[in-house]
Parts: sequence; structure tokens; C-alpha cells
Amino acid sequence: RKEVEQDPGPFNVPEGATVAFNCTYSNSASQSFFWYRQDCRKEPKLLMSVYSSGNEDGRFTAQLNRASQYISLLIRDSKLSDSATYLCVVNQKSNYQLIWGAGTKLIIKP
Amino acid sequence: DAGVIQSPRHEVTEMGQEVTLRCKPISGHDYLFWYRQTMMRGLELLIYFNNNVPIDDSGMPEDRFSAKMPNASFSTLKIQPSEPRDSAVYFCASSLRLRSYEQYFGPGTRLTVT
Repeated sequence: RKEVEQDPGPFNVPEGATVAFNCTYSNSASQSFFWYRQDCRKEPKLLMSVYSSGNEDGRFTAQLNRASQYISLLIRDSKLSDSATYLCVVNQKSNYQLIWGAGTKLIIKP
Repeated sequence: DAGVIQSPRHEVTEMGQEVTLRCKPISGHDYLFWYRQTMMRGLELLIYFNNNVPIDDSGMPEDRFSAKMPNASFSTLKIQPSEPRDSAVYFCASSLRLRSYEQYFGPGTRLTVT
């Protein structure tokens, strides 16, 4: 079983819709959680951290469920520019390594 | 301020040849990471350095791969001899110790071994 699992998609979503996807992690000792975004043929970039209480950044909302060991990302009022692959990332804090999911591909259609 | 710089951006080489990838991290960052990304395996950490010292190279596939960081502003990843299965995008990333989760990636080197 992979340490961080994501639905690879693609999620095909009309512009303006709300879309959500989850990521599960296997190590209960995981302490920090993040979403990175990777555009096609580009490098990954940090999108947002995920806090225990949940957090929001504009149209993006991230949630953490420690009991079930998953994190989620919700995108409201989706834009064409949101089309990308979203990578779920976990850190155990025992070292400085990040454990990366394989990514969920999102395609926003006009 | 310039981001992470990688060179070359594209490399096509024949099996058996030596390949050297280069990286210049963001000035002041004390962590440097080398990753490999393929469709099949996703993003894999190969090795990372702290203050120019290799900390964990357990992700390096085999002895054909080696990495060095002779100073704070330069690192290399070398593959010798290269094989077709090494074809991938190789990313270098850097971060500050206190924000190690916020890794800044270079544009990557797209390596094709024929």
C-alpha cells in the first residue's frame, strides 16, 4: 500500500462548478499536510498547508481528518486556470522528507 | 530574486553515456533535494542535502547515480552509465530549514536516454 494515495482522475468539471478530492495517508504519525499544484510540464508549487482546524484561501478550502487519515481539497467557482494536477503531500517531522501522492488531475472545461 | 536554476532543460543521450544535471538553489536556502518524476512512479525523492552535506540518499536507485554539493550554491546529479529506464524529469528543489515543507522547485531537466 502506498503511503499517500490519491485518485488519479482526471476530474472533468465545468467552469464555475465546485470540485473536491481526497487523499489518504497510511502513517498515523504524520504531522504536517500540504497540497501542491503542478501545471502540465511545469514544476510543483506549494498551494496551501492543511491545518487541523481546516483552512481556507480564497476559493480553496483544505480539511484534515486525522481519525480517518485523509485530507481534502475543495475548489469553489472553478476557473479554467485551475486545470492542473494536485499533489497531496505529507510530512512526518522525524525528518525533512515530504511523502508525495501521485496527484489528481483536474480539467476545467469552458 | 532568481528561483532554483537547473541545467540543461532538456538532455537526449545514448545508453551508456554519462549524464550530469546541474542545480543552483535559492540563495540562503539550507536544504537541497533531488527528485525524479515519471508517469509510472510519480515524484520520487532521490537524495537531499543539509548545508551541503548529504543526509539521506536511500532513494538513489543504484550505484550508477551519484550526487554532490561542493558548495551552498551548486549541486550535481550524475548518472553513469545511463540507461533508457533513467528517462524522466529530474527536479531540484530547495527550502529553508524552518519551512522545510515549502520546497521551491526548479523547472526540471527532461532526460531522454535512447
